[in-house]
Amino acid sequence: AQSVTQLGSHVSVSEGALVLLRCNYSSSVPPYLFWYVQYPNQGLQLLLKYTTGATLVKGINGFEAEFKKSETSFHLTKPSAHMSDAAEYFCAVVRSGGSYIPTFGRGTSLIVHP
Amino acid sequence: IAGITQAPTSQILAAGRRMTLRCTQDMRHNAMYWYRQDLGLGLRLIHYSNTAGTTGKGEVPDGYSVSRANTDDFPLTLASAVPSQTSVYFCASSVTGVNEQFFGPGTRLTVL
Repeated sequence: AQSVTQLGSHVSVSEGALVLLRCNYSSSVPPYLFWYVQYPNQGLQLLLKYTTGATLVKGINGFEAEFKKSETSFHLTKPSAHMSDAAEYFCAVVRSGGSYIPTFGRGTSLIVHP
Repeated sequence: IAGITQAPTSQILAAGRRMTLRCTQDMRHNAMYWYRQDLGLGLRLIHYSNTAGTTGKGEVPDGYSVSRANTDDFPLTLASAVPSQTSVYFCASSVTGVNEQFFGPGTRLTVL
């Protein structure tokens, strides 16, 4: 079985500050990893993904994430927060092999203060 | 190109009634999914289909059924709605199970 833990249901930062959203996963086999963003009253949109290859992945809107196998982590970062980054962020894992059932974390709400 | 559409946008339903939520994609994706989103619980997978003609149970399948008669459509049926099924329901699709998912706009369902 696989699981995803997102530390902190809410993260609050000032505009211009570093954004760090944490995601840890458990999987017995190499996973595929995703970050999605959800703006109010909308569906989810892909921010970035890791499948194979380079462990530092760059996504849209200046976000990036690093796959650290030894730490089973896939934390999302952005050097400088913008007001428009305020949204709900979800980390997701899909196991390689098997039935490819996705598992989502519970989400982290990013609050950006002016 | 519409991508993935869901209907209805919202619905208020009496307990015990039958309801089908519709989901259609025009991207020819093989895999489709149904999730429910509840405050504090994130997204929970209800049912999924890796290809037309096959379906599987997710984390919270009880009280829900699905069918995948063709590639484009993946309806979710509540046979006899209960108040605990009040939620926002999202349909998603992906090329295959390991690719990113594309989400519909959601259906807000209230069961009274």
